Amino acid sequence: GAVVSQHPSWVICKSGTSVKIECRSLDFQATTMFWYRQFPKQSLMLMATSNEGSKATYEQGVEKDKFLINHASLTLSTLTVTSAHPEDSSFYICSAEKENTEAFFGQGTRLTVV
Amino acid sequence: AQSVTQLDSHVSVSEGTPVLLRCNYSSSYSPSLFWYVQHPNKGLQLLLKYTSAATLVKGINGFEAEFKKSETSFHLTKPSAHMSDAAEYFCVVSPPRYSSASKIIFGSGTRLSIRP
Repeated sequence: GAVVSQHPSWVICKSGTSVKIECRSLDFQATTMFWYRQFPKQSLMLMATSNEGSKATYEQGVEKDKFLINHASLTLSTLTVTSAHPEDSSFYICSAEKENTEAFFGQGTRLTVV
Repeated sequence: AQSVTQLDSHVSVSEGTPVLLRCNYSSSYSPSLFWYVQHPNKGLQLLLKYTSAATLVKGINGFEAEFKKSETSFHLTKPSAHMSDAAEYFCVVSPPRYSSASKIIFGSGTRLSIRP
């Protein structure tokens, strides 16, 4: 099977600090990874598409300077929430695309900004 | 253009009774359709997928779904609910030969509760 690991699974940080979330495809190479945000009791909202070796493509309304995405290798993409504020508190989920066939999702990261 | 509608935000059934979670889609071409399950504070797990093969798709944990083109539906069913089925379920539509998740459309989700 295909496994996507997301770390950390939960994090609490102070307002104004930055938080990095990692998304790894453990047993396959993923040229494309995706980052989603999920508000309580709502569906997933695509934030950005991350391609290995190039700049991420952000969806409309997502601040690229606030949500920094880096996809340095075929197995790792990172999302950094910069200068976090309480309104950034959310559940963040990544997915990795395997051979243009199917997306596999990480277990998610619960971010709480206090 | 594509869209997906989950008709019920919350479904509650008794343990041992059938489960029906409804999903309707709209697509200008033959889509691929998926059902995912999400347990609290967890990621998404694929239950089953339809990709233009058999219209009745069997998934994990006893779930199945039937693609009905005439009704543009892809309802999820299970003959007998188990307490562990309590979770959030998402119906997802994407273009055929899945090529980019930016074209994936998530339904709003249906929360399934199981009564003892």
